[in-house]
Amino acid sequence: NAGVTQTPKFRILKIGQSMTLQCAQDMNHNYMYWYRQDPGMGLKLIYYSVGAGITDKGEVPNGYNVSRSTTEDFPLRLELAAPSQTSVYFCASSYIQGGWGESKDTEAFFGQGTRLTVV
Amino acid sequence: SQKIEQNSEALNIQEGKTATLTCNYTNYSPAYLQWYRQDPGRGPVFLLLIRENEKEKRKERLKVTFDTTLKQSLFHITASQPADSATYLCALENQAGTALIFGKGTTLSVSS
Repeated sequence: NAGVTQTPKFRILKIGQSMTLQCAQDMNHNYMYWYRQDPGMGLKLIYYSVGAGITDKGEVPNGYNVSRSTTEDFPLRLELAAPSQTSVYFCASSYIQGGWGESKDTEAFFGQGTRLTVV
Repeated sequence: SQKIEQNSEALNIQEGKTATLTCNYTNYSPAYLQWYRQDPGRGPVFLLLIRENEKEKRKERLKVTFDTTLKQSLFHITASQPADSATYLCALENQAGTALIFGKGTTLSVSS
């Protein structure tokens, strides 16, 4: 199993450009997440999905969009890139049965991250 | 809104000592709390989960405690080694029970 795979690993964007960060998992996990990590600021939740066709906003969704057409893939779209979106982006997945509090194993598996610079 | 605080941004200790990291949370009573390790340039890796009805959990040299009255978890690494140097993150489920939220992390440096 490859786990959670993110592409690309690095990217430089110009202000106003758009791009899609790819995320795929091969563990048949139902939950998937996108986080951004800025220096000294910890991980901030951007969007999450509890299953194919279902997505919802996290703490910092502005400037981003997601879709979840399959269980495996959860791409993150940046429209009109801004310098404030310079960050390291992590995709993660987990398998949750029932609710979080009910599920036996809730660990999240993370990808290697995408380092994005907007100039 | 719920808040997670990891009190120390950085912790420096000598090899062989016990490292103790603190995680406090407010405005919420989570069913469990998790700890992750993150190395530079890598994604976080799960270490331990402790549930609200568990006072303590151990895994090799790691020990986690969970005090729901104090709203605090302590993460201990005994007989620390330079290889334990990393950033350690605590996490708990959000109030909707749909995602994990993370503290800012504590960067541990173990010197030989």
